[in-house]
Amino acid sequence: RKEVEQDPGPFNVPEGATVAFNCTYSNSASQSFFWYRQDCRKEPKLLMSVYSSGNEDGRFTAQLNRASQYISLLIRDSKLSDSATYLCVVEAAGNKLTFGGGTRVLVKP
Amino acid sequence: GAGVSQSPSNKVTEKGKDVELRCDPISGHTALYWYRQSLGQGLEFLIYFQGNSAPDKSGLPSDRFSAERTGGSVSTLTIQRTQQEDSAVYLCASSLGWLEIYEQYFGPGTRLTVT
Repeated sequence: RKEVEQDPGPFNVPEGATVAFNCTYSNSASQSFFWYRQDCRKEPKLLMSVYSSGNEDGRFTAQLNRASQYISLLIRDSKLSDSATYLCVVEAAGNKLTFGGGTRVLVKP
Repeated sequence: GAGVSQSPSNKVTEKGKDVELRCDPISGHTALYWYRQSLGQGLEFLIYFQGNSAPDKSGLPSDRFSAERTGGSVSTLTIQRTQQEDSAVYLCASSLGWLEIYEQYFGPGTRLTVT
């Protein structure tokens, strides 16, 4: 089983709609969680951290469920510019980040 | 300011040759990471440098892979006797320090093709 698993998608989303997707992690000792965004043929960039209490950044909401070992990302009022691959990232011990394979989101007019 | 830079941006090499990939991190960043990303796959951790500490090489897939970081700045990833399965995009990232591991700044990558 992979340490971090994501539905690869693509999620085809009408512009203005809401899309949500999850990421599961296998290591219960994982300490910190993040979402990165990667545009086609570009480098990944930090989108947001994921806190136990859940957190919002504009149209983006991230949540953590430690009991079920998953994190989620919800995008409201999707824009065409939200089209990208969203990478789930987990920090375990040893100062290393483990990246999921990414969920591809395509927002269409 | 300048971001992470990598060179070359593209490299095509014949199977069995050695290649060197270079990474220039953001000035002042003490932590440096190498990853590789195969088509449609996630990032695979290769190696991590933090300051003057011994690097974490736990992600290197074989002894054909090695990396150095000179003077706490520029890093070189070397792949000896390249194989076709080494074809991937090699990404370098840096962060301010190990406490800021979550905020890694990535370079544009080197696309390696082994023919």
